[in-house]
Amino acid sequence: DADVTQTPRNRITKTGKRIMLECSQTKGHDRMYWYRQDPGLGLRLIYYSFDVKDINKGEISDGYSVSRQAQAKFSLSLESAIPNQTALYFCATSDLRQGADTQYFGPGTRLTVL
Amino acid sequence: SQQGEEDPQALSIQEGENATMNCSYKTSINNLQWYRQNSGRGLVHLILIRSNEREKHSGRLRVTLDTSKKSSSLLITASRAADTASYFCATDATGTASKLTFGTGTRLQVTL
Repeated sequence: DADVTQTPRNRITKTGKRIMLECSQTKGHDRMYWYRQDPGLGLRLIYYSFDVKDINKGEISDGYSVSRQAQAKFSLSLESAIPNQTALYFCATSDLRQGADTQYFGPGTRLTVL
Repeated sequence: SQQGEEDPQALSIQEGENATMNCSYKTSINNLQWYRQNSGRGLVHLILIRSNEREKHSGRLRVTLDTSKKSSSLLITASRAADTASYFCATDATGTASKLTFGTGTRLQVTL
């Protein structure tokens, strides 16, 4: 089984709809991240969480919210989806006890907002 | 804004040749990492080099770091078709609570 899983893998939704992307990990890592990837722009950090009680905004948090339900689960919500939120979304985890913030990525969720 | 910028944006080589891609960044770092992404898939960590290191090897990968020029290079020797992917540098900047900032990537195409 994959260490970092994301659901759904693909989603098409309409403008104004609320949508939740879920991430689960079996690596036992404390740190979890949400990124979005757009063509030619690399990955940009949306939110990150260093433990269950610690949630922080990233570079592009507007229009998004997150919930860290447990150490292993980190969900990303789009309260009212808009077309420019069409992108590939990645969840990642890391464990600083390994000495550096090496990140482990999920397979991604391809989101299309019509 | 992007911390790292890769160069070139795209690279096409033949199998067996070496591939070199470069990364420039803007601020002081704790470490710099390279990741690989196959089309539409999640990124996979390749190698990490710390700010006090100048060169590191892992299999066919060689990474160099020049902190005075704020640049790094990734060399893939004896490339294979399976190396076709996008490669991203990511910097762990000092004072950023160990968050990574990713560059825009280099798309490598290795042809037979």
